[in-house]
Amino acid sequence: DIQMTQSPSSVSASVGDRVTITCRASQGISSWLAWYQQKPGKAPKLLIYAASSLQSGVPSRFSGSGSGTDFTLTISSLQPEDFATYYCQQANSFPTFGQGTRLEIK
Amino acid sequence: EVQLLESGGGLVQPGGSLRLSCAASGFTFSSYAMSWVRQAPGKGLEWVSAISGSGGSTYYADSVKGRFTISRDNSKNTLYLQMNSLRAEDTAVYYCAKHSGIAVGYLDWYFDLWGRGTLVTVSS
Repeated sequence: DIQMTQSPSSVSASVGDRVTITCRASQGISSWLAWYQQKPGKAPKLLIYAASSLQSGVPSRFSGSGSGTDFTLTISSLQPEDFATYYCQQANSFPTFGQGTRLEIK
Repeated sequence: EVQLLESGGGLVQPGGSLRLSCAASGFTFSSYAMSWVRQAPGKGLEWVSAISGSGGSTYYADSVKGRFTISRDNSKNTLYLQMNSLRAEDTAVYYCAKHSGIAVGYLDWYFDLWGRGTLVTVSS
């Protein structure tokens, strides 16, 4: 199985801040990577697929980059509704997810 | 409205069985592969099983292979997960998820629509 490791596990930030979350795959996955947002008690929501493609309806303040083993999710200017847990997921083979990054209000 | 709605969760004893259902609406169900993804309480996401649009191909995580069976009824726009020989570690919220279908000719593993989930608790 391909292992996905996210960092940090949690981050505190303020509205308007720029935040970056990283995800590392245990082996190369080209650009086969997705990012999801999950709020408490809710289902995950697809934000980014193919490492950098923005899912329809997702605000442009979200962006993704990377290829191979190292990837990043960036939120350019945090909004109140962005405080949630974020997961990366490799889509190169049977999917595996990172452990999650909890984004909290400072 | 495009949506997925799971049902069938509940409390079951270790070794017992349960069948989950996922009713789809608002899209051409038979055109898309579907998966089940679970989340243990306070934990991360774990992919469980997938099925092609036609139902002809199925895939399982090692943790459930031989115990769970995925199926679909395209005439009823419904996805199923038959869970047998349940263990305490199967306790989780089970989500059904629609594959995006962005890849032509092969199965993609991006999930662009999720249900609200149904809780399965395995305990004596």
